[in-house]
Amino acid sequence: GQQLNQSPQSMFIQEGEDVSMNCTSSSIFNTWLWYKQEPGEGPVLLIALYKAGELTSNGRLTAQFGITRKDSFLNISASIPSDVGIYFCAGPRNSGNTPLVFGKGTRLSVIA
Amino acid sequence: GAVVSQHPSRVICKSGTSVKIECRSLDFQATTMFWYRQFPKQSLMLMATSNEGSKATYEQGVEKDKFLINHASLTLSTLTVTSAHPEDSSFYICSARGQSYEQYFGPGTRLTVT
Repeated sequence: GQQLNQSPQSMFIQEGEDVSMNCTSSSIFNTWLWYKQEPGEGPVLLIALYKAGELTSNGRLTAQFGITRKDSFLNISASIPSDVGIYFCAGPRNSGNTPLVFGKGTRLSVIA
Repeated sequence: GAVVSQHPSRVICKSGTSVKIECRSLDFQATTMFWYRQFPKQSLMLMATSNEGSKATYEQGVEKDKFLINHASLTLSTLTVTSAHPEDSSFYICSARGQSYEQYFGPGTRLTVT
């Protein structure tokens, strides 16, 4: 089945540093979604990408939909302590009314 | 916009009892809702897909008689864990989807079965 591979699995960075994480698949996805989950909470949608090559920003976050439709990356600029959490990429399993496939997440820790 | 609520946020129950968890889309109509289970430090595991007015579609390995799902309206889905056992203790999260592929998640329900 479709799988999403996220890297890195975890990262420790200093406050103020930029962060980059990515998500790859052997299958083509027509939509890429990036979520952030904090401990004890449900995931929160950060950015949705619908078009190959699309680059979208949400504040300090920027995400791109890869040209091949098999990858996406998420960048966070000038990290702050509240960026701590697990970042998941996701995409619809198939076309139509289907569930999302999730990556295993990138755990981000920010050291003040 | 796109707010999804879950109730209760935490529940502790005795082994053998049943627990109902509600998921509501507060400001949009959800044609489809999803129920996930999450173990510590792991990703979300899809349990079932629920479409309003029809039977839920369960993922392989998920017992439909144990995890009863009802999606009676476009804003409410419920998950009932029947005859709960300690191994059912987990974090249960619902999500709701409107017209696009974007899913909005509830805050989750922490279930502890003693």
